[in-house]
Amino acid sequence: QKEVEQNSGPLSVPEGAIASLNCTYSDRGSQSFFWYRQYSGKSPELIMFIYSNGDKEDGRFTAQLNKASQYVSLLIRDSQPSDSATYLCAVSNTGNQFYFGTGTSLTVIP
Amino acid sequence: DAGVIQSPRHEVTEMGQEVTLRCKPISGHDYLFWYRQTMMRGLELLIYFNNNVPIDDSGMPEDRFSAKMPNASFSTLKIQPSEPRDSAVYFCASSPGGGFEQFFGPGTRLTVL
Repeated sequence: QKEVEQNSGPLSVPEGAIASLNCTYSDRGSQSFFWYRQYSGKSPELIMFIYSNGDKEDGRFTAQLNKASQYVSLLIRDSQPSDSATYLCAVSNTGNQFYFGTGTSLTVIP
Repeated sequence: DAGVIQSPRHEVTEMGQEVTLRCKPISGHDYLFWYRQTMMRGLELLIYFNNNVPIDDSGMPEDRFSAKMPNASFSTLKIQPSEPRDSAVYFCASSPGGGFEQFFGPGTRLTVL
């Protein structure tokens, strides 16, 4: 079982819709959770992090964490074509080990 | 700060040659990570350092791969001898602490013919 699992997609949503990206992790001791965005040919860049159960909002982005279900998600409201990218979920455990998922490819259709 | 700096940005070499990738982390960051990314396997952690000391090299695929961090501002990843299956994008990332966000460099695209 992989440490972090994501649906590889591709996920396609129309412009203006909500995109929902999901991630599950296996280590119950995980404490820090991150969402990175990676445009084609570029390096990953951090867009959100969350440490506590519940929701965290930043502009059009909302990260949701449910530690009991070992589940973290990213919602993108009012999706724009510029949001088209691969989204990587990353998890850090108590041993400061850092694991990335394989990423979900998102396409926002104008 | 200029961010994480990697060189070269592109490297094309022939099988059997030695390849050296270089990384300068963000000043003040105690952690440095080397990743390899391919379409098939995604982003794989190869090795990471804390305060210049290698902590976990379990991701290094073979003895052909080696990494060093002689000081807080410089690290190298060496492949000797290189093989076509080593073709990938290699990223260096740094972090101010364990469990904190990682900042990625632009990557080195390696092609081994």
